[in-house]
Parts: sequence; structure tokens; C-alpha cells
Amino acid sequence: EDQVTQSPEALRLQEGESSSLNCSYTVSGLRGLFWYRQDPGKGPEFLFTLYSAGEEKEKERLKATLTKKESFLHITAPKPEDSATYLCAVRNFNKFYFGSGTKLNVKP
Amino acid sequence: DVKVTQSSRYLVKRTGEKVFLECVQDMDHENMFWYRQDPGLGLRLIYFSYDVKMKEKGDIPEGYSVSREKKERFSLILESASTNQTSMYLCASSPEGYGYTFGSGTRLTVV
Repeated sequence: EDQVTQSPEALRLQEGESSSLNCSYTVSGLRGLFWYRQDPGKGPEFLFTLYSAGEEKEKERLKATLTKKESFLHITAPKPEDSATYLCAVRNFNKFYFGSGTKLNVKP
Repeated sequence: DVKVTQSSRYLVKRTGEKVFLECVQDMDHENMFWYRQDPGLGLRLIYFSYDVKMKEKGDIPEGYSVSREKKERFSLILESASTNQTSMYLCASSPEGYGYTFGSGTRLTVV
């Protein structure tokens, strides 16, 4: 069964405390893995697309990596403004599968 | 930047009303989607469209219909709103083979 699982469901960090979010997937015919950030009451905002194992993308304090079974979103020295829900999605030939998200709270 | 615009941020409707949610994208994307998002249930696909006048059911189409008369506009219709349709509704668009751009969402409350 095609599915996407994100862990942990929630994560509390102190400002400056680096950590990683996980997205594991079982999807046949991967055509892309996507990371989004969602603030409360708003639509998801696109962060990264990864297409093949070994690929990495970076943006400010965020770095996304991809293996054949999972992706990690590494957050280095997070700030309170990084607090949000981070969604992972994968696409196969004709469908998107979304994870349930990781809610990140960064305390000052 | 691609923009996906949803006509309302907040809506309050009465049970039994017919409700229209409008979505417009400005980048000539072929594909458009409607999702609803609920706590603990994540994003669930209601309907999608790959071209003008074409529509496909998603995972939870019951109680909804859609219309795509122009490429840039995709409307979601609640034929007779019910309280269990209270939710955040998200529209998205994408070019063929790529990821989504989402709108800012419509928070619908049915009373």
C-alpha cells in the first residue's frame, strides 16, 4: 500500500537546538518528494522538491535529503520563526500522497 | 511566482445552503485540485481536474461537485452544506509532472 509517514508528530526545540524531521514512504514509481511548511490558518508553502536518492537541497536553516525509503528535513540552529507544521508529500505516476505532518515549536 | 488565489479566507454558511468556493491560478497550469484539511485527518483530496471541463473524483467526493469552465478557474460546490463539511479547504495547482502550489485556504464553518 502506498503511504507516507512522518515522525515525530510534534517536536519542541529550544532556539539553536538542531534536529531532524523524518518522512518515510512506500510508493511505487516515485516521481518526486516534496516538503512544505504550513503556518496556522494558512495554505502549505512549498519548500523543496527532491527527485532521486542522494539528492540534497538547502534553504537558510533547512536542508532536505532523500534516500530510497525516506527523507529528512534537517533544521540547523532553529529560530522561533521556524515554528510551523512541516508536511511531506510524494508523487508517483498519477497521485500525490501526503503525510500527516510534524508540528515544530521552537522556544526562545 | 505562481499565485493561487482563493476567493474567501473565512466563510460562515447555514446548513442546507449551496456554497461556492472559488480558486484562480495565474500560471496556466493544467492541473488543479481541491483538498480539505482536518485535525488528525490531514489533507484529503476531494476532486481534481487535468483540463478544462474535465474532472475526476478524489478520495472524498460525496457531497461536493466541481466546475472548470476556464483553465485558470476551479470551483468547488457544496450542494447542500452540512455541519460535517466544516473544514479548511485548500485549492492547489500544478503543471504536469511537478509539485503543487497551494492557495491560502478557506476556513468554512457550517452552522
